[in-house]
Amino acid sequence: ETGVTQTPRHLVMGMTNKKSLKCEQHLGHNAMYWYKQSAKKPLELMFVYSLEERVENNSVPSRFSPECPNSSHLFLHLHTLQPEDSALYLCASSPGLAGDTLPDTQYFGPGTRLTVL
Amino acid sequence: AQKVTQAQTEISVVEKEDVTLDCVYETRDTTYYLFWYKQPPSGELVFLIRRNSFDEQNEISGRYSWNFQKSTSSFNFTITASQVVDSAVYFCALSEARASGTYKYIFGTGTRLKVLA
Repeated sequence: ETGVTQTPRHLVMGMTNKKSLKCEQHLGHNAMYWYKQSAKKPLELMFVYSLEERVENNSVPSRFSPECPNSSHLFLHLHTLQPEDSALYLCASSPGLAGDTLPDTQYFGPGTRLTVL
Repeated sequence: AQKVTQAQTEISVVEKEDVTLDCVYETRDTTYYLFWYKQPPSGELVFLIRRNSFDEQNEISGRYSWNFQKSTSSFNFTITASQVVDSAVYFCALSEARASGTYKYIFGTGTRLKVLA
């Protein structure tokens, strides 16, 4: 496969469930990102990883827990979510490293449509 | 504060019409980058263009063209002779340098373009 892939594409979960979203990039990139996309709101950056190290956490509730075991894989572990967490969760990757002088281009996966009942 | 405004929530045109999507941004940075992404119904954001703040030359790529006007803080996107396949949500984004050395994208709320046959 090429590009950025995300699984599952759709997920329905109850508030007491625990689930994980998976992202994999086949582009040889060094940075990976999680975004939340809610209806009629701008994309919200949640987490940034550079070379498997978390470099940014934008005040995301602890019920979202990211994990980056290597530069190709990124997970978002979910537990005790709320209905307002229902959204499209997008993963992205980019070539660059923290400290690069140029913002590099992010390439996005197709997203996981999450519904919390 | 950095901000991206896409005032047009939804635009409908008839096939073969030209259409311009507006993007206005605010930033205090002197060096910044602007992006356009397309989000088709499948969900993934597709990168279209990146433009740096020092390059005000307009760019044309096939039926797509971009007009960067630093004086008015605008980065508008025109599709010439629109086609049904152009139907999507289009996002404008601004890159922002972070203290961590990484860059953060600030996205607009998107413009939904519907091209009718």
